[in-house]
Amino acid sequence: GENVEQHPSTLSVQEGDSAVIKCTYSDSASNYFPWYKQELGKGPQLIIDIRSNVGEKKDQRIAVTLNKTAKHFSLHITETQPEDSAVYFCAASIKGDYKLSFGAGTTVTVRA
Amino acid sequence: GAVVSQHPSRVICKSGTSVKIECRSLDFQATTMFWYRQFPKKSLMLMATSNEGSKATYEQGVEKDKFLINHASLTLSTLTVTSAHPEDSSFYICSARPHRGDGSYEQYFGPGTRLTVT
Repeated sequence: GENVEQHPSTLSVQEGDSAVIKCTYSDSASNYFPWYKQELGKGPQLIIDIRSNVGEKKDQRIAVTLNKTAKHFSLHITETQPEDSAVYFCAASIKGDYKLSFGAGTTVTVRA
Repeated sequence: GAVVSQHPSRVICKSGTSVKIECRSLDFQATTMFWYRQFPKKSLMLMATSNEGSKATYEQGVEKDKFLINHASLTLSTLTVTSAHPEDSSFYICSARPHRGDGSYEQYFGPGTRLTVT
């Protein structure tokens, strides 16, 4: 099955700086890569996703890049704000399977 | 749009009793619903995949007789933890995949249910 690794496990940034989280996946048949934000005691919230036919996608301060050859994808958050503090999970889905394999998560802390 | 609800949000039950958790897609129909379990400060672990009108598919190591799943309609799936024990205490989260003709992969998650078995 698919194996997703995520780094770093924790990330502390100064407000206004950028945050980058990286994930790698093992199965070249994976074609869908979402990112979720989870606040304490809540369910994960889909913040951005990308499909394998696209190299980059941006939504305001959030962007995701995908390198299919290297089998890795990254989340970029610019101009971080305290409300960006949360746990972020990357995931991957194999074409036709629809199940998500999650990374271990990154705890992001934005210092005011 | 794409709102998923879960009920109850928290439940405390005694060992040996059964607990039912409901997952509803409020503003869309869900082809598939998924049930996850999450331990403190850990990632989400998929327990089972639930398709409307058919039997759920369980992941390896998940007891189907212990965790009963019913997907009665395109907007409702239920998870029943039978004969609960303290080790079943966890955060249970459902997700739903919208029923669209484009074969979309998006999953939208519910807010989770905190189960404590005493």
